[in-house]
Amino acid sequence: AQKITQTQPGMFVQEKEAVTLDCTYDTSDPSYGLFWYKQPSSGEMIFLIYQGSYDQQNATEGRYSLNFQKARKSANLVISASQLGDSAMYFCAMREGKEGKLIFGQGTELSVKP
Amino acid sequence: DAGVIQSPRHEVTEMGQEVTLRCKPISGHDYLFWYRQTMMRGLELLIYFNNNVPIDDSGMPEDRFSAKMPNASFSTLKIQPSEPRDSAVYFCASSLSPGYGYTFGSGTRLTVV
Repeated sequence: AQKITQTQPGMFVQEKEAVTLDCTYDTSDPSYGLFWYKQPSSGEMIFLIYQGSYDQQNATEGRYSLNFQKARKSANLVISASQLGDSAMYFCAMREGKEGKLIFGQGTELSVKP
Repeated sequence: DAGVIQSPRHEVTEMGQEVTLRCKPISGHDYLFWYRQTMMRGLELLIYFNNNVPIDDSGMPEDRFSAKMPNASFSTLKIQPSEPRDSAVYFCASSLSPGYGYTFGSGTRLTVV
């Protein structure tokens, strides 16, 4: 079974608008962490934001925020005021318990239109 | 901090040849990961180390793949013999601990012809 599911292979958004990228996860471990990474066309993996399973508040980092709905097992990434430079692949990932490894979703390709 | 350093950036080799990919993690990071990225399979974890010790190698595809971490500042991923289906981007990442962010290297794009 998929542990991390990103159901949107591709998305378009108009510049300056907000966009939500979906991510659902599956785990029975009460302790886990959720991550979002950006991969531009140049190929590097850029860490964006982290949410711990016990964190009471939704994580925010500048224009990025994570809409964490624990009961629904979803961890959607919200990008506010999209910029052309936001065009990239976005990956959701999960770390379970004390395990060190990250499991990645299949990614969502975001295209920002001028 | 120079970040996670991988070499080479690109590698083209003939089927059957041995390939060695190299990684220098961020100093002080206790965890090191090797991932493979392909269009078909996405990002797959191959193996990870904690304090130079391999913890989970369940993602290593077959015996042709091996990884070592002889010290805290260096790791290698070796493929012998290489096959065309090994063509992919191989990423190395390091982390201070599971609760912290994982920093990725720039990746090695491997093409086996």
